[in-house]
Amino acid sequence: QKEVEQDPGPLSVPEGAIVSLNCTYSNSAFQYFMWYRQYSRKGPELLMYTYSSGNKEDGRFTAQVDKSSKYISLFIRDSQPSDSATYLCAMSVNDYKLSFGAGTTVTVRA
Amino acid sequence: EAQVTQNPRYLITVTGKKLTVTCSQNMNHEYMSWYRQDPGLGLRQIYYSMNVEVTDKGDVPEGYKVSRKEKRNFPLILESPSPNQTSLYFCASSTDRFRETQYFGPGTRLLVL
Repeated sequence: QKEVEQDPGPLSVPEGAIVSLNCTYSNSAFQYFMWYRQYSRKGPELLMYTYSSGNKEDGRFTAQVDKSSKYISLFIRDSQPSDSATYLCAMSVNDYKLSFGAGTTVTVRA
Repeated sequence: EAQVTQNPRYLITVTGKKLTVTCSQNMNHEYMSWYRQDPGLGLRQIYYSMNVEVTDKGDVPEGYKVSRKEKRNFPLILESPSPNQTSLYFCASSTDRFRETQYFGPGTRLLVL
């Protein structure tokens, strides 16, 4: 079993819809949680970072962490075609070593 | 311009022929890391470095070596490449708050025949 599980999709939604992405994990020692966005043929870029449990909002993006369920989510409101990308969750115990999910490919249809 | 550069961007080689992929950052970052990305497996960390002369293994270090003799450079060395090392490789660097400010390079696509 992988340490971090992420549904690879693909996920296709109409423009303006809410995109919901999630990851589950098995290592209860994870305390830092991140979401990255990766456009085709590019390196990943950090979208959201959360420490421990709770919610964090940044514009149209909301990240949620539920440590009791070992479950994290990313919501994208009012999705745009420019949001079409692969989204990767990542987690860390000690701030140095990162474990990534496989990534979910999202397409937002105009 | 702040950036992480990798060279080469594309490489085709044969089994057993030693190669080095260079990584350089111009942001004076302390932390650097190497990842490989494979379909269905996502990104997997190979090695990371917290500072000059300080390196540690990630999840998949077998078959790779690294060195950090200067702050700006973090080369990845494949002493005897094998076909299972065919992958897309990313270098990344960060400030002291590693988890928040990690910048990725453009990637190196490696094919080992």
